[in-house]
Amino acid sequence: NAGVMQNPRHLVRRRGQEARLRCSPMKGHSHVYWYRQLPEEGLKFMVYLQKENIIDESGMPKERFSAEFPKEGPSILRIQQVVRGDSAAYFCASSPELISTDTQYFGPGTRLTVL
Amino acid sequence: DAKTTQPNSMESNEEEPVHLPCNHSTISGTDYIHWYRQLPSQGPEYVIHGLTSNVNNRMASLAIAEDRKSSTLILHRATLRDAAVYYCILWVVSGGSNYKLTFGKGTLLTVNP
Repeated sequence: NAGVMQNPRHLVRRRGQEARLRCSPMKGHSHVYWYRQLPEEGLKFMVYLQKENIIDESGMPKERFSAEFPKEGPSILRIQQVVRGDSAAYFCASSPELISTDTQYFGPGTRLTVL
Repeated sequence: DAKTTQPNSMESNEEEPVHLPCNHSTISGTDYIHWYRQLPSQGPEYVIHGLTSNVNNRMASLAIAEDRKSSTLILHRATLRDAAVYYCILWVVSGGSNYKLTFGKGTLLTVNP
């Protein structure tokens, strides 16, 4: 059973460009979570999605950031007009169900560098 | 957010046991204690979790204090592959947002050959 897949693993963008980060959850998992890890810091929750629904986006900046998890295909985290402060590692996690003791399975992350 | 306190770093020798402490004095009765670890340049990896009783799995053991205000992750024989940042996380059941993992800065474990 393949784990959580993220691509690209590394992404370089210039200020003002768009960044698209993709996440394919583990097979059979319908819950996806995105986290951001700034340099020298712990991971911070951004958004929680189920198929075709955003459940909680309270951790996501109000502007320039959006996320989706369509019926078919991977979950996408989109950052428009990137700035240097967006440089970070972005991790996606998935879980099969939403229960209190469920573990989340993390992907290898996408490391975004904004020049 | 439920808060945990961990030492910034610890050091161990290969094939020796490692005890990684975590304080969580504000834990609620229904909060689970989860441990994840993050190897260099990788995503976090689930290690173990527990509620009240001590827990064992193939990776580690979790010892939970009787008052639940602290816990200890035990690696029985550290290997070089165990060098990572270890995060102690309270999974907060109440409040309706029990899907958010709140990561602190964790403990950086160095394993010496």
